[in-house]
Order: sequence, then C-alpha cells, then structure tokens
Amino acid sequence: AQSVAQPEDQVNVAEGNPLTVKCTYSVSGNPYLFWYVQYPNRGLQFLLKYITGDNLVKGSYGFEAEFNKSQTSFHLKKPSALVSDSALYFCAVREISNTGKLIFGQGTTLQVKP
Amino acid sequence: EAGVTQFPSHSVIEKGQTVTLRCDPISGHDNLYWYRRVMGKEIKFLLHFVKESKQDESGMPNNRFLAERTGGTYSTLKVQPAELEDSGVYFCASSQVVGGYTFGSGTRLTVV
Repeated sequence: AQSVAQPEDQVNVAEGNPLTVKCTYSVSGNPYLFWYVQYPNRGLQFLLKYITGDNLVKGSYGFEAEFNKSQTSFHLKKPSALVSDSALYFCAVREISNTGKLIFGQGTTLQVKP
Repeated sequence: EAGVTQFPSHSVIEKGQTVTLRCDPISGHDNLYWYRRVMGKEIKFLLHFVKESKQDESGMPNNRFLAERTGGTYSTLKVQPAELEDSGVYFCASSQVVGGYTFGSGTRLTVV
C-alpha cells in the first residue's frame, strides 16, 4: 500500500533562515509527488509536484523540493523563510489507479518567527 | 476562471442532525473528488466522480454518508445522521484530467 509520512508535527524557523519540511513516501513504481499548503481559513493550494525529470522541483512562493529516490524522500525547502510562510503543509503521493486519488501525509505546521 | 467553490464554509450541527455540503467544480471538469481531514490527522480520500458516475467510493466511512453529482455538475455530500466523529474539514477538488487537482477552500463541519 502506498503511504506518505511527515515525521514532524511542527517546524519552527526564524525569518530569513532556510527551512525544510520533511516527507518520505512508500510506493510501488514511480511516484507522483505533491506538496500543498493550507493557510489559515483557506483551502489547499498547490505548491509543486514531481512527475519525472530533474530531481529538484521549483514551485510557487519560492519553494522547491528535492526528490531522492534512494531515500524515498521529497523534502520541501526554501532558502529564506518569511513570516507569511507560516501555514500547514501537506505532502502527497498520487495513487497509480484509474482514480488518481491522493494519499496525504499528516501535515506539518510551519511557524516562522520574526 | 472561477475556482472550486464549496459551501457552507462552516457548519455547526447537533449530533443526529443532517447536513448537506455542496461543491461546485470548475466548469468542464469531469473529475470531482471529496476528501476529509479529521482534526490533527491526514487528509483522506472519500470518493471520486467522473461526470455523474461514482468511479471510486472506497473512502466513504459508512452508510451515513451519501454523495451525489446530478447531471455531472455540482456535487453534494450528505451526512445523516451526523455523529461527533464526523467533525472535520471536508475538501472538494476537481480536475479535467485524472490527478490534476484544484481544491476548494473546504467546509469545516463541527458536530456537537
């Protein structure tokens, strides 16, 4: 069965510092991986995805993620955090099926302090 | 292009009552998905429509949940009767192709 794990419930960083939000996955075959963000009182917003190609994927708001097949990881990164990046982040893998449903991790709350 | 619209944005109901959530997908999107996040846990798939047909409803928790998509346009998700454990945020998403999601802002359901 496919699964996604986000080992940290919360990540705290100071504004201006680099941030990493961790994600590991378990799939059979090649993974389709996604990151979504949920700001307070807002819906899920797409940040980036990995389907194939370059292992470093660039997305919205200056975020990027690195696909590492040997470590089955897809960590979300940003070189310099902003207070406005504070939100709830979800990693997901798309199930290989006719449905294409997403399997989500538990979510990681990112808190960026000034 | 208008996004995926869900309403109500919040609903507070008593245990045993009925609630109906609505999702209006992006026009022309044949695929419509419902997901749910129970407090503090992962977002879980509920079901998938292709037009008006249920493609996969393996995630529906029990028969108190009924989803419909009449005419292949908007969808409703009815919970009857609601229980405390049904509280959470219900997300809808739509796509033209399988897996190319646009999510709505969600409906926060609180059962008291």
